[in-house]
Amino acid sequence: SSDLTQDPAVSVALGQTVRITCQGDSLKTYLASWYQQKPGQAPVLVIFGKNRRPSGIPDRFSGSTSRGTAFLTITGAQAEDEADYYCNSRDSSGDHGVFGAGTKIVVL
Amino acid sequence: QVQLQESGPGLVKPSETLSLTCSVSHASINTDSWIWIRQPAGKGLEWIGRISTNGITNYNPSLQSRVSMSVDTSKNQFSLNLNSVTAADTAVYYCARERSGAVSGSDGHYYYYYMDVWGKGTSVAVSS
Repeated sequence: SSDLTQDPAVSVALGQTVRITCQGDSLKTYLASWYQQKPGQAPVLVIFGKNRRPSGIPDRFSGSTSRGTAFLTITGAQAEDEADYYCNSRDSSGDHGVFGAGTKIVVL
Repeated sequence: QVQLQESGPGLVKPSETLSLTCSVSHASINTDSWIWIRQPAGKGLEWIGRISTNGITNYNPSLQSRVSMSVDTSKNQFSLNLNSVTAADTAVYYCARERSGAVSGSDGHYYYYYMDVWGKGTSVAVSS
């Protein structure tokens, strides 16, 4: 089992907005980071800290957090955003990293 | 830019030790912390453990009794050893760089950790 809970799958129409969630008690202390993974590829960091994007990540990706839930929002989803998205943070002890089970975003 | 490259045998026999190395390019192993993650085929990511600049390690509690990590500063590499492997350890293994920070706001004080550079991954099968 995971300390972080994600919905298994979400679909979004091309150009529309999608928001996925990551829930866990540790998120009241530690902010989540978000990773995009496409088939056969290594994960890529898309959001970290308080809504920070690494260089090269489009600004349609944004993150937020509220009371133990982290959110990843894609505003104007593109076909290339179809992927698995994983949240990551610390567990409740703070000593170990933990991933959510991942959310598959399907762009229709 | 910073690059990470995993290396090691692609096949390990059951009950033996899986040993992988991550070579770090264009960054010093003496800064930041370093992470191992794995992913069985068709499944999610699993955090294996972390080694910090001062050699302190933290391991996934579910693997703690079988895992160890080390750093070789002379080669700018860090390593993973996982002993007594079974078929359940078959996975793609990734190494990554971990960075951290803290932020304060009206809603409180938070710490954060993130993995900004990843290796391409190496596939390891456990089979006789």
